[in-house]
Amino acid sequence: ETGVTQTPRHLVMGMTNKKSLKCEQHLGHNAMYWYKQSAKKPLELMFVYNFKEQTENNSVPSRFSPECPNSSHLFLHLHTLQPEDSALYLCASSQEASGGADTQYFGPGTRLTVL
Amino acid sequence: GQNIDQPTEMTATEGAIVQINCTYQTSGFNGLFWYQQHAGEAPTFLSYNVLDGLEEKGRFSSFLSRSKGYSYLLLKELQMKDSASYLCAVRDGDYKLSFGAGTTVTVRA
Repeated sequence: ETGVTQTPRHLVMGMTNKKSLKCEQHLGHNAMYWYKQSAKKPLELMFVYNFKEQTENNSVPSRFSPECPNSSHLFLHLHTLQPEDSALYLCASSQEASGGADTQYFGPGTRLTVL
Repeated sequence: GQNIDQPTEMTATEGAIVQINCTYQTSGFNGLFWYQQHAGEAPTFLSYNVLDGLEEKGRFSSFLSRSKGYSYLLLKELQMKDSASYLCAVRDGDYKLSFGAGTTVTVRA
């Protein structure tokens, strides 16, 4: 498999459930990102990991908990979510979280619906 | 904060040309990216501009004017498969990207 993959592609959960989103990159990159994409709104950066170290938490509520066990895998653990958390959650990776031409490559996303 | 503006929707005919504008106001500037996103799919990288001028890649070209805080993506010889959302993103000074809300382009036969 190539590129950035995400599972599951679709997830429906109740507000009291606990679930996890998984992202895997096959590009040999060292940085991984979680974004939230809501309809008609810009992508919102949630978390950044660079060489397995978390370098960004963009004021994300604690009901979202990231985990990066190695440079190829990234998880987003979800618990006691709210209906307004329903969105497309996108994972991305790049060579290194740096400036310049460092390009982020995205996975297809997990469409999350919270009932 | 960052302010990235682009039109919400555009419609064009197959074979035509469409220009998607993006204006930005950021505290710094370290490059501008364009991505294409088909419905239900991953955003895919189209172009990167950091210097003023036009970058051409086949049917797609991207232009940047740093002094005006302005970029455009030009799509030529439109095809039905070009119907998608196009995202403008600015790197303002470190590694983070600030995205516009996207422009949905509909190509009609």
